[in-house]
Amino acid sequence: GQSLEQPSEVTAVEGAIVQINCTYQTSGFYGLSWYQQHDGGAPTFLSYNALDGLEETGRFSSFLSRSDSYGYLLLQELQMKDSASYFCAVRDDYKLSFGAGTTVTVRA
Amino acid sequence: ETGVTQSPTHLIKTRGQQVTLRCSSQSGHNTVSWYQQALGQGPQFIFQYYREEENGRGNFPPRFSGLQFPNYSSELNVNALELDDSALYLCASSLVAGSSYNSPLHFGNGTRLTVT
Repeated sequence: GQSLEQPSEVTAVEGAIVQINCTYQTSGFYGLSWYQQHDGGAPTFLSYNALDGLEETGRFSSFLSRSDSYGYLLLQELQMKDSASYFCAVRDDYKLSFGAGTTVTVRA
Repeated sequence: ETGVTQSPTHLIKTRGQQVTLRCSSQSGHNTVSWYQQALGQGPQFIFQYYREEENGRGNFPPRFSGLQFPNYSSELNVNALELDDSALYLCASSLVAGSSYNSPLHFGNGTRLTVT
């Protein structure tokens, strides 16, 4: 089976940088993904790491260390619209298993 | 391109009843997955359909069943509803090529099911 751990809540001010860590245990591993979900909305794909290292997409970056079973999502230059839940997810063969999510609250 | 659409958006059922939720996949996608999301939790994998066959299932009882149609739309059926089935049910489509399942999931807005 799979288990993923991520912090439940993070609060930061506009313009700040937030890092959301994710540790995982899985019997098979094909990559770590990150999804964003606003209240009442659909989860939307942010990034995917299959190999070790940093992937950068605009203000968001994601990092993976397969040897440590660890990854993080870095949110830079926080904006009010970034207030949402963020989920890490691991792919194990055919399915994607999600963590419980981190609620990010951005304050003015 | 048309995204993933789900219907209905909200539904209230009584314990013991049956429910059918519907999903239209994003154009060009051939795989559909269903997830259950309880309040404050991450989505939990129910099952996945590829080429009209179930090719993966999570820890859900047999009273959760599904179908995928030739046009890649899908249904989730839940029999003998229980109070704990109250949740947001999310459908997600993706394009699987060969044996690779690494393409991102595209989610619909979900159906909010309340069982009383």
